[in-house]
Amino acid sequence: QKEVEQDPGPLSVPEGAIVSLNCTYSNSAFQYFMWYRQYSRKGPELLMYTYSSGNKEDGRFTAQVDKSSKYISLFIRDSQPSDSATYLCASGNTGGFKTIFGAGTRLFVKA
Amino acid sequence: NAGVTQTPKFRILKIGQSMTLQCTQDMNHNYMYWYRQDPGMGLKLIYYSVGAGITDKGEVPNGYNVSRSTTEDFPLRLELAAPSQTSVYFCASSYISNGGNTEAFFGQGTRLTVV
Repeated sequence: QKEVEQDPGPLSVPEGAIVSLNCTYSNSAFQYFMWYRQYSRKGPELLMYTYSSGNKEDGRFTAQVDKSSKYISLFIRDSQPSDSATYLCASGNTGGFKTIFGAGTRLFVKA
Repeated sequence: NAGVTQTPKFRILKIGQSMTLQCTQDMNHNYMYWYRQDPGMGLKLIYYSVGAGITDKGEVPNGYNVSRSTTEDFPLRLELAAPSQTSVYFCASSYISNGGNTEAFFGQGTRLTVV
């Protein structure tokens, strides 16, 4: 079993739709949960960062962590064509180098 | 600030050749990492470094070597290139203290093809 599982998609939605991206993880020691966005032929960039359980909101983006079910979600409201990218979830415990990345979900937002 | 800079951006190698992927960061980060990204497989950690002079293996270190003589630079060496090393390589850095975990900043990647 992979430590972080993510459906690679692709996921195609119309502009303005609410997007839900999800991951599961298996290591109970993970405390840090991140979402990275990666545009084509670019390096990943941190989008959201959450410590332990709960929700975090930043503009149109909401990250949600449920440690009881080991489930990580990213919601994008009012999706835009510029949101078209690959979204990677990542989890880790203290120390940084233990960050494990999911396979990434390719998202296409159609105008 | 330039952030994390990788060179070259693209490279084609023949089987058995060697090369060094360069990575430098100007953020005074203590941690540096090398990942490879294969289609549909996410990022796999090759090697990491917690500071100058200290390196350690990640998840997929075979066929690679690293060194960290300065805080800024973290080159990745491929000694005998194999087709299985065809991938996109990303260097990243972060600042970590007291066991915390912070954002990793990534370079733009090096696309390597071994033929």
